[in-house]
Amino acid sequence: DAMVIQNPRYQVTQFGKPVTLSCSQTLNHNVMYWYQQKSSQAPKLLFHYYDKDFNNEADTPDNFQSRRPNTSFCFLDIRSPGLGDTAMYLCATSRSTGLAGETQYFGPGTRLLVL
Amino acid sequence: KQEVTQIPAALSVPEGENLVLNCSFTDSAIYNLQWFRQDPGKGLTSLLLIQSSQREQTSGRLNASLDKSSGRSTLYIAASQPGDSATYLCAVDHADTDKLIFGTGTRLQVFP
Repeated sequence: DAMVIQNPRYQVTQFGKPVTLSCSQTLNHNVMYWYQQKSSQAPKLLFHYYDKDFNNEADTPDNFQSRRPNTSFCFLDIRSPGLGDTAMYLCATSRSTGLAGETQYFGPGTRLLVL
Repeated sequence: KQEVTQIPAALSVPEGENLVLNCSFTDSAIYNLQWFRQDPGKGLTSLLLIQSSQREQTSGRLNASLDKSSGRSTLYIAASQPGDSATYLCAVDHADTDKLIFGTGTRLQVFP
């Protein structure tokens, strides 16, 4: 009864080779988030979708893109991964935002290694 | 700019001890504060959410308090067990941005 699913769980890619990470949810939540978490650091929000509205964080590199083709799926595309993009990528969903008192539900993460 | 700090960074205790994890934040303009658990190499699991108007929340052996005016929260774990070993992350939903700002976590080890 997994609610937020991420694929793959582990991804190894070469420097500069595009990679796509997938997130799907069975909760029918309106909001989907992508976070980057480097080793021993706090998760850092990259962007989020509220329904079809895309909200990018000001300091998210242009190298990172996202797509949400429907309510259930959201993708993270890294166009030209650098060594510094090695991290855990976490997808999360929520029914609404914190203003409405809603918590976020996280997937298991995708561990990306850029060689 | 909202900043979230967690002390201590790591904690090792024997099974059965009651323990307190601390979280502080610099801007009291928050919608809520949440505590998450993260097992090694895994995602985050929400433990407790405290609305800005609330003082505490309880779930089983966990109790979280919030003092918004002083920018502090504590997570109290009663009768700790080895299965409680994980990293505990505190996050505030900042009212200016309506986004979660995380601390770097407290890594807890409970040994038998």
